[in-house]
Amino acid sequence: ILNVEQSPQSLHVQEGDSTNFTCSFPSSNFYALHWYRWETAKSPEALFVMTLNGDEKKKGRISATLNTKEGYSYLYIKGSQPEDSATYLCAFKTPASDMRFGAGTRLTVKP
Amino acid sequence: KAGVTQTPRYLIKTRGQQVTLSCSPISGHRSVSWYQQTPGQGLQFLFEYFSETQRNKGNFPGRFSGRQFSNSRSEMNVSTLELGDSALYLCASSSDGNSNQPQHFGDGTRLSIL
Repeated sequence: ILNVEQSPQSLHVQEGDSTNFTCSFPSSNFYALHWYRWETAKSPEALFVMTLNGDEKKKGRISATLNTKEGYSYLYIKGSQPEDSATYLCAFKTPASDMRFGAGTRLTVKP
Repeated sequence: KAGVTQTPRYLIKTRGQQVTLSCSPISGHRSVSWYQQTPGQGLQFLFEYFSETQRNKGNFPGRFSGRQFSNSRSEMNVSTLELGDSALYLCASSSDGNSNQPQHFGDGTRLSIL
């Protein structure tokens, strides 16, 4: 069973705070790990695709790291802004499987 | 470049009916995946099509089926609708279905079963 766990389920921060959340996945037979941002009333938007242990990706104030040996990825947001409010989803894939999504972390940034 | 287009956006049906949802991928994308999202659940994978062939299938009953046409457009059909089928159905396309490529999602079809 390919369980993808995300924590925390929800997070409330003040504008300007930096924050991070976790995606845990089975460490065996890893193929790829995706991060998506899903804003209310919009469609999920791809942030990062990570494939190699130790990968670090950055897009503006958002960055992500990957540890395939222990089965986790962190997403970091530096200096959160109200427009960062969204649900952040991670998805995991092995070579033989479909894409398995976590339930997401809902981030609310208060001005 | 136009994004992924799903039609209709909203649909209301009654139990026992059937429904067909449509997804037009980004031009040039050959892989289309379908997902179901219900309240409190993450995205649940339904199936993936690539070059008109179903390449992967999730753990859903046989009432859920799909197909892909030669222009990569895909349809999803649900027969004998049940109340629990009320959900947001999302489709996503990628260039070749390689999981190193990000998926591009449509806005979804919200299906309500009365």
